[in-house]
Amino acid sequence: QSVLTQPPSASGTRGQRVTISCSGSSSNIGNNLVNWYQQFPGAAPKLFIYSSDERPSGVPDRFSGSKSGTSASLAISGLQSEDEADYYCAAWDDRLDAWVFGGGTKVTVL
Amino acid sequence: QLQLVQSGVEVKKPGASVKVSCQASGYSLFTHGFIWVRQAPGQGLEWMGWISGYNRKTKYAERVRGRVTMTTDPSTNAAYMELRSLTSDDTAVYYCARGSRDKPKILAFDIWGQGTVVFVSS
Repeated sequence: QSVLTQPPSASGTRGQRVTISCSGSSSNIGNNLVNWYQQFPGAAPKLFIYSSDERPSGVPDRFSGSKSGTSASLAISGLQSEDEADYYCAAWDDRLDAWVFGGGTKVTVL
Repeated sequence: QLQLVQSGVEVKKPGASVKVSCQASGYSLFTHGFIWVRQAPGQGLEWMGWISGYNRKTKYAERVRGRVTMTTDPSTNAAYMELRSLTSDDTAVYYCARGSRDKPKILAFDIWGQGTVVFVSS
């Protein structure tokens, strides 16, 4: 059972907008920034969004992150076939004194 | 080129220990820290701990505390993660990643190693 809660799957057609939620508590998302990682099968994770809403260079601007209260979200506007991957949210947890991850969301392009 | 290169596949028996290396290139380990994350088959990501490349301070996850030791070696610009008393529950892909030099809670993990498969079976 992950400390951060994500839906196990999300899907959409090409060009559609898809949003992935990440729910936490006051000890993690409520008090700290959120990062998102993209992972393809058999590959290492890759930093996709940091500090809740910042994109590293090379990440397409159709990806955006946001945070409000104890929840965060990753939005993909204009879904592309190459966006099919697993996405994980992560935040520092002040009570556990550790990084915690969501269980991951598998994005599928229909 | 900034990259982390990890050691190869490990097959261990229950009760044994494993030591995984993570070689940094393109930057000095003194400027950052190392994070270790593992992923069991078909499962999500689990943070194992952090070590500062600057002063070797560590912080370990409660689940592995007492069984794990993270170290760095400036002469090789590498980090190491040793896990002892292995059980089948430790079968996973182990990743190193670059993190903060000063505190484990700041900075995202911006560079990742390719992963090391550790298989524990009798």
